[in-house]
Amino acid sequence: GAGVSQSPSNKVTEKGKDVELRCDPISGHTALYWYRQSLGQGLEFLIYFQGNSAPDKSGLPSDRFSAERTGGSVSTLTIQRTQQEDSAVYLCASSPPNRSGELFFGEGSRLTVL
Amino acid sequence: AQSVTQLGSHVSVSEGALVLLRCNYSSSVPPYLFWYVQYPNQGLQLLLKYTSAATLVKGINGFEAEFKKSETSFHLTKPSAHMSDAAEYFCAVTPSGGYQKVTFGTGTKLQVIP
Repeated sequence: GAGVSQSPSNKVTEKGKDVELRCDPISGHTALYWYRQSLGQGLEFLIYFQGNSAPDKSGLPSDRFSAERTGGSVSTLTIQRTQQEDSAVYLCASSPPNRSGELFFGEGSRLTVL
Repeated sequence: AQSVTQLGSHVSVSEGALVLLRCNYSSSVPPYLFWYVQYPNQGLQLLLKYTSAATLVKGINGFEAEFKKSETSFHLTKPSAHMSDAAEYFCAVTPSGGYQKVTFGTGTKLQVIP
């Protein structure tokens, strides 16, 4: 079956512009995560959706970052007024409803802010 | 609260030598623990997981890890390194039972020297 799909795979934008990153999780997976991977920084947790529960937004670095998940499936991460320090690979992962905690990752969206 | 610490951002081993990548965790409740691998220019994939069954866990490609509660460790080992093992390895923790945030370490980049 299809894995986690992310788009765009690469995005170059100018400082101050808004960007949207999209994630299509694996069908039937109830949990969806966004992480940010910067050089030497590991995976920084951003936000977590689980079913119909309120999302855990504790990792969002500023109010310029927001995410939504429509219909319990597709998710969009939005970064407003991008800054150069936002340049990173944004990873999306989904997890099945079997309580295993295992994550299935997409290939990521590489964002470069000039 | 939960966290993982990976000792050594870079590890070099000779081909055929033992691989040992260290991970220590902190968790206020019994944890689930994971190792993920990221090959160059690829997404993360699960290597192995501990979910409170056997403390010695075997994964793909000959890797294994042992959960040691007394040492709060979950080190990753492989008896004989292969060139194809060169990648970045991430340790991760989540509270047992799933349905909660997964926290990752900063990663260890493994170099295999021929």
